[in-house]
Amino acid sequence: GAVVSQHPSWVICKSGTSVKIECRSLDFQATTMFWYRQFPKQSLMLMATSNEGSKATYEQGVEKDKFLINHASLTLSTLTVTSAHPEDSSFYICSARAIMLGRMNTGELFFGEGSRLTVL
Amino acid sequence: GEDVEQSLFLSVREGDSSVINCTYTDSSSTYLYWYKQEPGAGLQLLTYIFSNMDMKQDQRLTVLLNKKDKHLSLRIADTQTGDSAIYFCAETHQAGTALIFGKGTTLSVSS
Repeated sequence: GAVVSQHPSWVICKSGTSVKIECRSLDFQATTMFWYRQFPKQSLMLMATSNEGSKATYEQGVEKDKFLINHASLTLSTLTVTSAHPEDSSFYICSARAIMLGRMNTGELFFGEGSRLTVL
Repeated sequence: GEDVEQSLFLSVREGDSSVINCTYTDSSSTYLYWYKQEPGAGLQLLTYIFSNMDMKQDQRLTVLLNKKDKHLSLRIADTQTGDSAIYFCAETHQAGTALIFGKGTTLSVSS
């Protein structure tokens, strides 16, 4: 199956610093990637939709200047949490839509393993 | 807006069947998914079903869809301790668009 890799898996940073999380599709091209945030014992909340070569679309209530998303290539999207604060501590998960040539697209999204951010 | 609801907890004995239920509000939902999340890990797609199907079976997993009632269920036969995880129901009305997730059902399997 299609593989999505996230890096880093765990990151601890000081308050006020910026952290970049990478999301890569390893064996397929992804024109669209989605960034989710998951609080403990809660569901995944969509933060933004990242489209290759264009600006990301943010969900209501998500600060675009706080969470910078860049989708510079068909296999890489990055999420940068700027000036991180303890309330930004969370589990961030990316997912990618795979365009499979010659196969029916089921709408399936492939998820990365997630990145746990802890801001001290 | 769109909403997906699940019961939060389910506890079963090893060897029994587990049934996890989900309801959704978006009548235009076309694709419905079940994902599994083990502690500290990402999401693993278990199975999916199209809205024009009533049932889908895949080894120990059976998905039932009642489109009229907007009700989706996941049955795990012969539940094992390794099935202990959080199970998320998700839906979308268009292939490849963002999924709307339920809050997840924590399945606890005791031996």
